[in-house]
Amino acid sequence: DIQMTQSPSTLSASVGDRVTITCRASQRISSWLAWYQQKPGKAPNLLIYRASSLQSGVPSRFSGSGSGTEFTLTISSLQPEDFATYYCQHYLSYSPPYTFGQGTKLEIK
Amino acid sequence: EVQLLESGGGLVQRGGSLRLSCAASGFTFNSFAMSWVRQAPGQGLEWVSAISGSGGSTHYADSVKGRFTISRDNSKKTLYLQMNSLRAEDTAVYYCAKDIAASGHWGQGILVTVSS
Repeated sequence: DIQMTQSPSTLSASVGDRVTITCRASQRISSWLAWYQQKPGKAPNLLIYRASSLQSGVPSRFSGSGSGTEFTLTISSLQPEDFATYYCQHYLSYSPPYTFGQGTKLEIK
Repeated sequence: EVQLLESGGGLVQRGGSLRLSCAASGFTFNSFAMSWVRQAPGQGLEWVSAISGSGGSTHYADSVKGRFTISRDNSKKTLYLQMNSLRAEDTAVYYCAKDIAASGHWGQGILVTVSS
């Protein structure tokens, strides 16, 4: 099975900061990676698919990059509504389980 | 507008069974794979199972293989998750999601509590 490892587990930042979250896959997954945002009590919200494609309706301050085994999610200028937990998920074809990273909680400093 | 509505959750004793349903609308249901994802209290997301649009191909996480069965009724536009031999560690909010992964549409989630 492909393992997904996110870092850091917790990130403290301020409004206006630029932040980066990293996700590493235990084997090459090309660009088959998605990023989600989740707020307490809510379903996850897809932000990025195919590693760098912005989902419709997601603000442009969110961006994704990477391929192979290392990926990043960047928020260029944090807004108050961005404080949440972020997850990556691989979806390499024919390679279930489509595991999630353990999550990164973005907290207000 | 895509809508996914889960039902069938609740409290069940350890070793018991439960069937979750997910009623879909707003898209051509039989053209899309569907999946189940769960989240234990205070924990992260765990991919559970997925099924192809035709229902002919299914996949499971090791943690549920042999105990859970995913299925779908395309005529009713409904996804199911039959959960047998339930364990305390199956306690979670269960979400259905459109697509096998990288899901842009999720249900609101349904709580399953397994009592010991």
